[in-house]
Amino acid sequence: QVTLKESGPGILQPSQTLSLTCTFSGFSLSTYGMGVGWIRQPSGKGLEWLANIWWDDDKYYNPSLKNRLTISKDTSNNQAFLKITNVDTADTATYYCARIRDGGYRDWGQGVMVTVSS
Amino acid sequence: DIQMTQSPSFLSASVGERVTLSCRASQNINKYLDWYQQKLGEAPKLLIYNTNNLHTGIPSRFSGSGSGTDYTLTISSLQPEDVATYFCLQRNSWLTFGSGTKLEIK
Repeated sequence: QVTLKESGPGILQPSQTLSLTCTFSGFSLSTYGMGVGWIRQPSGKGLEWLANIWWDDDKYYNPSLKNRLTISKDTSNNQAFLKITNVDTADTATYYCARIRDGGYRDWGQGVMVTVSS
Repeated sequence: DIQMTQSPSFLSASVGERVTLSCRASQNINKYLDWYQQKLGEAPKLLIYNTNNLHTGIPSRFSGSGSGTDYTLTISSLQPEDVATYFCLQRNSWLTFGSGTKLEIK
């Protein structure tokens, strides 16, 4: 059974760096073709893709946010990470991590709410 | 950037009705199109990947079709548990979600 769970700071101030962790089980990010992605959703709004990381450490970022995003993984501990630098109120959202395999985000975490406020 | 336009934004239909949701891309996305269902307060769930492949465990009343720039999600017989917002996602060039269709029971 595949599970994913996001964790984060809950609240942070403008200009700080947001660090998110995705802890998963039921699959390995060292398996050929496996990937994990990050997607966010402001309250009551749509979904925005942020970044993907693959089994071979290939990384892809949303071009509109690329300069602020860093995705990484710890295969041994079944975790993936996302950092967003210089946050502002527009980064307030629920952040999801999801498993990618053979097309589509097949399994999602429950999401973690992040609020940017001074 | 590829833009994804979903229509309608809101749809109200009766139980048992056939429902069609649309997603149009700003350029050819070569069938790299997924559909997700998001119920209130829940994470999205994959329904269809690569235009017409039903994800494991998804009821057969859901189907997808399309090519080029135009794609469709069809629910053959709407059920009460299908009340949700539906998002399309293109994966041909980077990734872009559509803005969603909110589906309600009439």
